[in-house]
Amino acid sequence: AQKITQTQPGMFVQEKEAVTLDCTYDTSDQSYGLFWYKQPSSGEMIFLIYQGSYDEQNATEGRYSLNFQKARKSANLVISASQLGDSAMYFCAMREGFQGAQKLVFGQGTRLTINP
Amino acid sequence: DGGITQSPKYLFRKEGQNVTLSCEQNLNHDAMYWYRQDPGQGLRLIYYSQIVNDFQKGDIAEGYSVSREKKESFPLTVTSAQKNPTAFYLCASSIGGGLMNTEAFFGQGTRLTVV
Repeated sequence: AQKITQTQPGMFVQEKEAVTLDCTYDTSDQSYGLFWYKQPSSGEMIFLIYQGSYDEQNATEGRYSLNFQKARKSANLVISASQLGDSAMYFCAMREGFQGAQKLVFGQGTRLTINP
Repeated sequence: DGGITQSPKYLFRKEGQNVTLSCEQNLNHDAMYWYRQDPGQGLRLIYYSQIVNDFQKGDIAEGYSVSREKKESFPLTVTSAQKNPTAFYLCASSIGGGLMNTEAFFGQGTRLTVV
């Protein structure tokens, strides 16, 4: 079964608009961490934001915020005031497991295109 | 500068040959990971290691092997048993130690092509 599901293969947004990228996850662990990464066409992976399962407040990092709904097992990324440079693949990821065997698994990704 | 170095950037392999992809980090991280990425797809976990001399299979380990003899090195061997090895391979590391909130740092990747 998919641990991380990103249901939007592609998104097209006008510059300066806000955009929400969806991510749902599946785990039976109480302790887990959720991450978002950006992958430009160059292939590098850029860490954007983190949310812990016990964090009561939604994480924010500059223009990025994470809409964490624990009961629904969703961790959507919100990018405010989008810019042309935001065009990239975006991946949601989850770290789970016991101390000695923690996995970090990724979703299929969403390709975001910002139009001028 | 601290970071993760993957080499080579591009690699061509003949069918039936084994090939080893290098991954070295100087971040003093305990945990290391190998992922495979196919065009337009997500990252799939091949192997991961939380500590020296220990590693676990990920979701697509068949046809691959790894070793973790040193903390800073986690080489991946793509064997002839891997039926479709052409892909982009990414290595990552994180602090480990059971910490949930530490991000993984990635190398620049190796693009493997079977010819």
